[in-house]
Amino acid sequence: GDSVTQMEGPVTLSEEAFLTINCTYTATGYPSLFWYVQYPGEGLQLLLKATKADDKGSNKGFEATYRKETTSFHLEKGSVQVSDSAVYFCALKTSYDKVIFGPGTSLSVIP
Amino acid sequence: SQTIHQWPATLVQPVGSPLSLECTVEGTSNPNLYWYRQAAGRGLQLLFYSVGIGQISSEVPQNLSASRPQDRQFILSSKKLLLSDSGFYLCAWSGEGPGELFFGEGSRLTVL
Repeated sequence: GDSVTQMEGPVTLSEEAFLTINCTYTATGYPSLFWYVQYPGEGLQLLLKATKADDKGSNKGFEATYRKETTSFHLEKGSVQVSDSAVYFCALKTSYDKVIFGPGTSLSVIP
Repeated sequence: SQTIHQWPATLVQPVGSPLSLECTVEGTSNPNLYWYRQAAGRGLQLLFYSVGIGQISSEVPQNLSASRPQDRQFILSSKKLLLSDSGFYLCAWSGEGPGELFFGEGSRLTVL
């Protein structure tokens, strides 16, 4: 069946460090892929998305590339800030509109 | 603009009692609607989703059920709550195709 796997963390980084959060998926057909972020005390919001193979989504310095050959959508940021501390969720939307999420990765950035 | 409303925000229910959580969307038509449960410190578990009136897909066989009596209304129900039903329930909507999800503010259920 459809599924999303991501590193669960928690991940702790120093400010200005490089961030990678791995995400792989299993799905029939050609899903759309998403990263959502949940800041402390807030609801989930879209961070970025990609709708087809080799698309790159980007927002707020974060990037992720849709890799169909490796069924992956890894999240990266070159220099994290304290304000990036949050829980990050990888998600996919199937061609029949089912949306499933990974378990989430908690990120803490320390000054 | 589109908005999503979910209520009640908090409820405490005894084991064996019924449940009804309601979600409505305004400002759009024929939305896809979703119910998730988020356990503390964990991800979102998809419970039900609907792509149209009367079309409900169940992802988790359990004592919960969902209904969509109107185009923009989605209801999560139970006839008899279990302790394990405690959690944070989120309603969400999206348009067709690769559109993002928009979430309600959530309902925190405690079953005692």
